[in-house]
Amino acid sequence: GAVVSQHPSRVICKSGTSVKIECRSLDFQATTMFWYRQFPKQSLMLMATSNEGSKATYEQGVEKDKFLINHASLTLSTLTVTSAHPEDSSFYICSARYAGGAENTEAFFGQGTRLTVV
Amino acid sequence: KNQVEQSPQSLIILEGKNCTLQCNYTVSPFSNLRWYKQDTGRGPVSLTIMTFSENTKSNGRYTATLDADTKQSSLHITASQLSDSASYICVVTPYGQNFVFGPGTRLSVLP
Repeated sequence: GAVVSQHPSRVICKSGTSVKIECRSLDFQATTMFWYRQFPKQSLMLMATSNEGSKATYEQGVEKDKFLINHASLTLSTLTVTSAHPEDSSFYICSARYAGGAENTEAFFGQGTRLTVV
Repeated sequence: KNQVEQSPQSLIILEGKNCTLQCNYTVSPFSNLRWYKQDTGRGPVSLTIMTFSENTKSNGRYTATLDADTKQSSLHITASQLSDSASYICVVTPYGQNFVFGPGTRLSVLP
């Protein structure tokens, strides 16, 4: 089946630095990818929708200048957490669906990235 | 407001037993309902997807039901295994919109 690969799975960074997380669709093209954030014992919260070749759409309350999203190709989207602070520590998950898929098309999630800012 | 509720919040069962998880939603217009399994520290993995016209779908020991009239869904797990310990998330899609996630049910299967 289709696979979405997310890298890295874990990252620890110092406060004030930036971290880049990659999300790749390995065997299908995805014009749209989604970035989620998940705090302990809570469900996924959509941060932004990444559109290939255009600007990302951010959810209300998500700072677009802090969470930079680039979707340069049909198989790769990146999320960069800029000037990270301890409160940015969380589990970040990406998701992708087949390009041009119907409403009930399978959505595949990456393995997630555990970000810890110290 | 589109919302998805799940019950129970957590559940502990013994290995080999069956269990049923519940999902209620107020999502309109309804497109589809999905159940995902999420192991701790991992991304969600799809179990079932159901559209309006489907009222049951199975995936191995997992069977999901959907009652579009009452806006309820259930996920039944048969002959539970230790590896079934995870969070189970109900996700409903309003037509043309993004997923609406439920809070999840945390299942623990004990030996």
